[in-house]
Amino acid sequence: AQSVTQLGSHVSVSEGALVLLRCNYSSSVPPYLFWYVQYPNQGLQLLLKYTTGATLVKGINGFEAEFKKSETSFHLTKPSAHMSDAAEYFCAVSDPNNNDMRFGAGTRLTVKP
Amino acid sequence: AAGVIQSPRHLIKEKRETATLKCYPIPRHDTVYWYQQGPGQDPQFLISFYEKMQSDKGSIPDRFSAQQFSDYHSELNMSSLELGDSALYFCASSSVRQRRLYGYTFGSGTRLTVV
Repeated sequence: AQSVTQLGSHVSVSEGALVLLRCNYSSSVPPYLFWYVQYPNQGLQLLLKYTTGATLVKGINGFEAEFKKSETSFHLTKPSAHMSDAAEYFCAVSDPNNNDMRFGAGTRLTVKP
Repeated sequence: AAGVIQSPRHLIKEKRETATLKCYPIPRHDTVYWYQQGPGQDPQFLISFYEKMQSDKGSIPDRFSAQQFSDYHSELNMSSLELGDSALYFCASSSVRQRRLYGYTFGSGTRLTVV
């Protein structure tokens, strides 16, 4: 079974600073990995995903993540935070052979002016 | 582009009542997933269907049931509602063949409030 651990339930950065949201996964098979963003009272929006191929994946809004198999990590980064990035971020993992996806507990990103 | 459609967007029910949530996947998607997200919680996987058959089961209470119909839409039926069932219920869909390329697409959710 797959699982995801997101380190830090709350992350606060200043506007313009680097954003780093941590995600470690556990999977018995090569996983699919996802980052979703959720704004207040809204649904889940896909930021980016890793399925196969290049381990550095770029997503929307300037975010990117790198799949590191040796570290079982899929950390999300953005070079310069914007006020509009304030939201809840969920890392998720799925087994390509199964029909489910498991989410981490989420990290709430706050951006200070 | 067509998205995952969930109805209703909001639903208020009393304790012990029943509720039915509907999900219409993206055309040609063959798999539907249901998630429950309580206040301040991460989405919890409930159940999924592939080609109208239940494919995986998560933390779905026995009071809940779901099915996928011939047109691939899915319904989540919730009976004997409890206050703790108040949550945002998400549906997602994917195509088994194209999941590697496109991943999963989520609907906007149904917010269920049990009073």
